[in-house]
Amino acid sequence: GQNIDQPTEMTATEGAIVQINCTYQTSGFNGLFWYQQHAGEAPTFLSYNVLDGLEEKGRFSSFLSRSKGYSYLLLKELQMKDSASYLCAVRDEWDMRFGAGTRLTVKP
Amino acid sequence: NAGVMQNPRHLVRRRGQEARLRCSPMKGHSHVYWYRQLPEEGLKFMVYLQKENIIDESGMPKERFSAEFPKEGPSILRIQQVVRGDSAAYFCASSPGRGSGEAFFGQGTRLTVV
Repeated sequence: GQNIDQPTEMTATEGAIVQINCTYQTSGFNGLFWYQQHAGEAPTFLSYNVLDGLEEKGRFSSFLSRSKGYSYLLLKELQMKDSASYLCAVRDEWDMRFGAGTRLTVKP
Repeated sequence: NAGVMQNPRHLVRRRGQEARLRCSPMKGHSHVYWYRQLPEEGLKFMVYLQKENIIDESGMPKERFSAEFPKEGPSILRIQQVVRGDSAAYFCASSPGRGSGEAFFGQGTRLTVV
């Protein structure tokens, strides 16, 4: 089975940097995903890590440490439109399970 | 992702009726996940399928719910004798293969049971 934990809520200021952490326990590991979901909309794919290290994609970066069962999503130069829920998901050999999501509020 | 097509986008059913939700994966994707999301809550895994095969249905309620992914056509999530508690957004995601590749979501079907 899988156990995925991430903070429920976070608040940050426009223009700042925020780091959203995700810890997981899984019987097998075949990749970790980050998605963004605005209220009432579908999740949008942000990043996919399968090897240790940092993956950078514009203002968003994602880090993975398989030995620690740990990942983070780093958002730079925050914009108001970044206010959304951020979902961490882990895929084992069989399927993909999600954490409960972190609701990020960006304030002016 | 626009490549994963779900229909209908909105579905209203009376208690006791059947609901059929369809999901066509992205081109080249042979695996489909179904999730349910209640308002203000996270995504709950329901079932993971490949064509003509259910890989994992551990998240499916034991009764009234079923899913299939036939050789031809979309994946279908079927809910029989719907109740008010079935009202939710149902999302499907597709990926290229078992345990590999990125997974992309459809726009979801909002089911309302009245």
